[in-house]
Amino acid sequence: EIVMTQSPVTLSVSPGATATLSCRASQSVSTNLAWYQQKPGQAPTLLIFGASTRATGIPGRFSGSGSGTEFTLTISSLQYEDFAVYFCQQYNNLPPVSFGQGTKLEIK
Amino acid sequence: QVQLVQSGAEMKKPGSSVKVSCRASGGTFAHYGITWVRQAPGQGLEWLGGIVPMYGMTDYAQKFQGRLTFTADESTATAYMELTRLESGDTAVYYCATFPPSLDWYFHLWGRGSLVTVSS
Repeated sequence: EIVMTQSPVTLSVSPGATATLSCRASQSVSTNLAWYQQKPGQAPTLLIFGASTRATGIPGRFSGSGSGTEFTLTISSLQYEDFAVYFCQQYNNLPPVSFGQGTKLEIK
Repeated sequence: QVQLVQSGAEMKKPGSSVKVSCRASGGTFAHYGITWVRQAPGQGLEWLGGIVPMYGMTDYAQKFQGRLTFTADESTATAYMELTRLESGDTAVYYCATFPPSLDWYFHLWGRGSLVTVSS
């Protein structure tokens, strides 16, 4: 089973600044990596798939990069609505699909 | 636009079973797969498995083998997840979500979740 590790667990950033979230896979997942945003009491929302392709309706300030075992989600010009929990997920080797434990992005 | 409408909250006793439904409102999932993911209170996301009705294919996370069954009724555009022999650790919000016909298992449309509470 592929283990996904996200860092940091909590990230404090000021509105308007840029946030950089990391996700590491225990073995290569090629570019079969997705990112989700989850707000309290809500279901996750797909942000990025294929490591770098934005999902429909996702603003351009969200960008994903990486391949193999190292991935990054970058959120530029942070808006108040961006403060949430972010999960990465690999879908290269399954079963099982595996998620990272999440990074909480909070207002500094 | 298709929305996934899930069944309501359930309160169950240990050892019993629960069946959660997920209906595609405003469309069908004839060309999609449906996955199930759960989230225990304050915890992360845990994948349970999924079903691709078009191919009659199911996949289960090994942890749940023997306790979990996915079915789908294409005539009503409804998918079901049944979990048996419930224990307190199964208390969670259960989400259904779709994945594309390419069978890349990223999840682009989510239901709002169904809370299952297991308590004596």
